[in-house]
This record gives sequence, C-alpha cells and structure tokens, in this order.
Amino acid sequence: EDKVVQSPLSLVVHEGDTVTLNCSYEVTNFRSLLWYKQEKKAPTFLFMLTSSGIEKKSGRLSSILDKKELFSILNITATQTGDSAIYLCAVALNTGTASKLTFGTGTRLQVTL
Amino acid sequence: NAGVMQNPRHLVRRRGQEARLRCSPMKGHSHVYWYRQLPEEGLKFMVYLQKENIIDESGMPKERFSAEFPKEGPSILRIQQVVRGDSAAYFCASSPQRVGQPQHFGDGTRLSIL
Repeated sequence: EDKVVQSPLSLVVHEGDTVTLNCSYEVTNFRSLLWYKQEKKAPTFLFMLTSSGIEKKSGRLSSILDKKELFSILNITATQTGDSAIYLCAVALNTGTASKLTFGTGTRLQVTL
Repeated sequence: NAGVMQNPRHLVRRRGQEARLRCSPMKGHSHVYWYRQLPEEGLKFMVYLQKENIIDESGMPKERFSAEFPKEGPSILRIQQVVRGDSAAYFCASSPQRVGQPQHFGDGTRLSIL
C-alpha cells in the first residue's frame, strides 16, 4: 500500500526561527512529490519536485527531493506568523496523463511572536 | 482568472437525506479529483474524472456515493442517505490535460450531518 509519512506532526516556533519539515514515502511508480500549505480552507500549491537534488525555492521557502532515500524536506527560514498553517506532502504516481495524490497527515506549524 | 470553485461552502443535512456537492474546475482544466478530509486526518482520494468519464474511483465507498462530470456544467459528488460518519470536508481539485501538472484545490465543502 502506498504510504506518505510526515514529521513532526506539529511544531511551535518563535518568529524568526528556521524550520525543517520532513516527508518520507513508500510508493510504487513514483512520478512527483508535491507540497501544499493549508490554512483555513483550500490547500495552496507550493512546490512540485520530480528530480533528486534540485532545490526549488520561493522566497523564504525551499524544498528538495531525495529519490534514493525516498524523502523530501521543506525549509522555511525567518518564519513569520503568517506561516502558521498545516503543511501537506503528497505523492503523485506515474499512471497515465494524471493520477490521484496520496497525502501525508500533515505537519501543523504554529509561529508565535 | 477564477480558481477551482466549490459550492456550497457549508452544507447541513439530517441523517437519511441526500447531499450534492458541486465543483467547477479552473479554466482550461479537464481533470477533476475529489478528496475527503476527516477531522485531524489527511486528505484521502475518492475519485478522478474527466468529462463524461470516471477514470479512477478506487477511493469511493461502494455504496451511497457517486460522482459525475457531465459534458456541460460542474462535477457533482452525490451522497445518498447520509450518515453521521459522512461529516467531513470535501475538496475538489483540478489539473490540465498536460502530463505532470500539479492539482489546484477549491476551498472545499464542509458537510455536517445532524
């Protein structure tokens, strides 16, 4: 059975701290790994990773994939209270033109003043 | 440039009633996916559709649940004879036909069963 595991489950940090969120996976026929940010409503797309070792960066957020060790990390530097959210990791399988996403349970990040 | 549109945002039903959830994909997207999120759990895949076709319904409960994506109009997720355990947030996502594109999500419908 395909599995995506995120750690830690929850995290409380002070504004300005740097955080690293982890995502490991065991799936057949991997295509890509995606990160989403979920606040009160829609999960918002952050990154899609398909190749090992190539960092994707957007502002204070960055992510990298290791296809040999089957994991990804999401880094957030200089955290702000607006970064408080649930961060979801998902894996897409290589099954034709499109496929379902298998999600982890998420990491709940709280950034305090 | 509207994103994925879901309605209603909140839906309250009594046990035994029917629930209909609607989803209009982003402009230019031909693939629609439905996910369910139970309290304190991750999103679970339910069904993947293209226009007039169900491609993968491996996550749909065998009874009471059905989905469609007609040639005209939104995709509909229908739950018949709802039970308390159907209370959840139901999210719709869409993606374009081009291979390997990310899915973009709507704001979800929060279904509450009394």
